[in-house]
Amino acid sequence: DIQMTQSPSSVPASVGDRVTIFCRASQDISSWLAWYQQKPGQAPKLLISAASSLQSGVPPRFSGSGSGTVFTLTISDLQPEDFASYYCQQSNSLPLTFGGGTKVEIK
Amino acid sequence: QVQLVQSGADVKKPGSSVTVSCKASGGAFSSFTFNWVRQARGQGLEWLGGIIPISGTADYAQKFQERVTITADESTTTVYLKLNSLRSEDTAVYFCARIDGGPGYKYGFDDWGQGTLITVSS
Repeated sequence: DIQMTQSPSSVPASVGDRVTIFCRASQDISSWLAWYQQKPGQAPKLLISAASSLQSGVPPRFSGSGSGTVFTLTISDLQPEDFASYYCQQSNSLPLTFGGGTKVEIK
Repeated sequence: QVQLVQSGADVKKPGSSVTVSCKASGGAFSSFTFNWVRQARGQGLEWLGGIIPISGTADYAQKFQERVTITADESTTTVYLKLNSLRSEDTAVYFCARIDGGPGYKYGFDDWGQGTLITVSS
């Protein structure tokens, strides 16, 4: 199975900050990586697919980059509604696997 | 955009089985990949398996291979998850999720059900 490692596990931040979350795959997954946002009591929401493709309706302050084994999710100009948990997920091969999550908290 | 509506919460005894349903409406069904993902309280996300209804064949995470069955009913546009031999560690919220971006599993999960809490307790 491909292991996905996210860092940091939590990041304290303030409105207006730029936040970067890292995701590392245990083997080459090309660009088959998705990012999700999840708020308490809700289902995850797809933000980015194929490493850098922003989903329709997702604000452009969210961006994704990377390929191979190292990926990043960047939130520029953090907004109050962005305080949530974020997960990466590889879709290069089965079983599909997720990173452990990163919680963006209010500093 | 498709809407996914799951069955309600349930409490089960250890060793028993549970079936969770996911009714899809408002979008195409048969050629899209439907998946089951679970999340224990305060924990991360875990993929159990998926199915493309028109193929009738499911794929499973090896961890669950012997205990999980995923099926789809094209006549009712409903996908099912059956989990056998339940243990306390199976207590979690179970989500169904559909991949919109293309065939197979290459793209992210665009559409999600509301989640179903399954509690395993004696």
